[in-house]
Amino acid sequence: SQTIHQWPATLVQPVGSPLSLECTVEGTSNPNLYWYRQAAGRGLQLLFYSVGIGQISSEVPQNLSASRPQDRQFILSSKKLLLSDSGFYLCAWGLKPNEQYFGPGTRLTVT
Amino acid sequence: GNSVTQMEGPVTLSEEAFLTINCTYTATGYPSLFWYVQYPGEGLQLLLKATKADDKGSNKGFEATYRKETTSFHLEKGSVQVSDSAVYFCALSRTGNQFYFGTGTSLTVIP
Repeated sequence: SQTIHQWPATLVQPVGSPLSLECTVEGTSNPNLYWYRQAAGRGLQLLFYSVGIGQISSEVPQNLSASRPQDRQFILSSKKLLLSDSGFYLCAWGLKPNEQYFGPGTRLTVT
Repeated sequence: GNSVTQMEGPVTLSEEAFLTINCTYTATGYPSLFWYVQYPGEGLQLLLKATKADDKGSNKGFEATYRKETTSFHLEKGSVQVSDSAVYFCALSRTGNQFYFGTGTSLTVIP
């Protein structure tokens, strides 16, 4: 069966520091991969999605970036965090259209 | 554009009460519609979905009917339990890769 992992589970970082969040999927090949952010009191915002290695689509221009160095690995990065980057970051995968399975999430607090 | 509007929470109900969480959408064409549930500290889980008008999605006693004439996909359950306490998200997808989520409705069920 397929599983999705995210780490770290929680992270506290100072403003201006870099960020790297990792997401990996097991038990499937060539999944579509997604990064979402859930800010306090708000819904989910799609940040990036990828349909293959090296293929990244950005939904919201900001100081975040994403990379997909391997088929089942999706990384969310920032060179300099802002206070507004605090939130709950969710990775998701799917094989078919209209299919998304979410990971456990990473709680990021920027201080 | 595409968007989802959910009823504001939080919602507090007694055990065995009837639940309705309203969801309306704006989209071009014929989107697929979803309800996701998020338990405390976890990622989102797909609860049910409907892919065309008049379809009824159902799971774990929850139901929602895709109403194109009213652009709605209201979530209902006849008798809620304490274990149903969670945040519920309505979502739509037009292309299969881009999901649009509502802001979520927090439900607390008290014994």
